[in-house]
Amino acid sequence: QVQLAETGGGVVQSGGSLRLSCTASGFTFSNYGMHWVRQAPGKGLEWVAFMPSNEDNKYYADSVKGRFTISRDNSKHTLFLQMNSLRTEDTAVYFCVNEKPIPIKMVRGVVQYSYYMDVWGNGTAVTVSS
Amino acid sequence: EIVLTQSPATLTVSPGDRATLSCRASHSVSTNLAWYQQRPGQAPRLLIYGASIRATGIPDRFSGSGSGTDFTLTINILQSEDFAVYYCQQYNNRPPITFGQGTRLEIK
Repeated sequence: QVQLAETGGGVVQSGGSLRLSCTASGFTFSNYGMHWVRQAPGKGLEWVAFMPSNEDNKYYADSVKGRFTISRDNSKHTLFLQMNSLRTEDTAVYFCVNEKPIPIKMVRGVVQYSYYMDVWGNGTAVTVSS
Repeated sequence: EIVLTQSPATLTVSPGDRATLSCRASHSVSTNLAWYQQRPGQAPRLLIYGASIRATGIPDRFSGSGSGTDFTLTINILQSEDFAVYYCQQYNNRPPITFGQGTRLEIK
């Protein structure tokens, strides 16, 4: 059974830093891309960052680019989010999510995949005070 | 960036009835669309991916349809546990991945 558990949330002052962790179990962590998604109090879902399984590239929402860094330690089945220069608008519950492939078409005999978000952790709350 | 617009914002339906939720994309996402259910205080749960494929363990009263820019989530014979917030999400050419603003399904 796939399980994701986030830790590291807390209360921090504006301009401060936090490091979130997400420990995975029940699947081969190194084979899957991983996301961070956040939800501000009473608001909807906002994608934050993504790291593919191969660790070659990292992708960020414009709202966090240059301040947040996503990383992973495949040997420890753990995903991280280093958050620097925190702002009050970063206050949210942060979820880690794994993605799974779905075949969508064949191109020259090679299967092309799309990737959807599958299992979500329970989240860890981050509060940034002014 | 692809914008997803969900309608209505709030839907009030009686238990046992059918609910129909809509999601419209600003550009085609093919069938790269998912639906999630979020109950109060809980993490989102995957219901539908590939626009119409039910995730593991999801009851068959949930169904998804559509492709391109217009999508629908239908919930038949509403149960008490179905009253929650529902989000659509596109993952076409991700990133970025975007979500709709959500539809709150309320008990009449």
